Amino acid sequence: KQEVTQIPAALSVPEGENLVLNCSFTDSAIYNLQWFRQDPGKGLTSLLLIQSSQREQTSGRLNASLDKSSGRSTLYIAASQPGDSATYLCAVGGITDKLIFGTGTRLQVFP
Amino acid sequence: DGGITQSPKYLFRKEGQNVTLSCEQNLNHDAMYWYRQDPGQGLRLIYYSQIVNDFQKGDIAEGYSVSREKKESFPLTVTSAQKNPTAFYLCASSMSGSGIDTQYFGPGTRLTVL
Repeated sequence: KQEVTQIPAALSVPEGENLVLNCSFTDSAIYNLQWFRQDPGKGLTSLLLIQSSQREQTSGRLNASLDKSSGRSTLYIAASQPGDSATYLCAVGGITDKLIFGTGTRLQVFP
Repeated sequence: DGGITQSPKYLFRKEGQNVTLSCEQNLNHDAMYWYRQDPGQGLRLIYYSQIVNDFQKGDIAEGYSVSREKKESFPLTVTSAQKNPTAFYLCASSMSGSGIDTQYFGPGTRLTVL
């Protein structure tokens, strides 16, 4: 059974720092991995989708990498801003057509 | 303006009542999903549908029911059999149910049992 873990559970950093969020999964037979952002009391917004054949994806200040063999993905946020404060969720898509979610990393960026 | 809408935003239910949560999408997506989110537990899949008039149970389907009579609509009924229904419910859709497409999420419905 696929399990997805995100570390750390919470992170507080000063504005301007570069930071890395981690996601690990137990079964490497995945179709893709997605990173989402969730603001308090809101739905999820898709940030990046990495297909299993890809190694990384970039969007603006965000870069996500995927290492299937080790069961890991990282989300790199460059030059963090207070507006980046949110919960970041990773989710793995596999052969069952379902997404399996991690429990998220709650990020706070303070001025 | 394309997207997914959920209503109501907040819902209060007395014990023993059935309630229905609405989810509508105008993205012309084939697949739709219902998730439940509890604090500290991430999202768990309740039901999903890859095509009209067909749906499958997810990981926590007990106490819930769905229908998919139209491509745009995927309502979720929380029945009195659901023992602990207080949670944040999220609806999502994707172009296909193949597992390779991005899922797009609605704003959610927060259900509270009084």
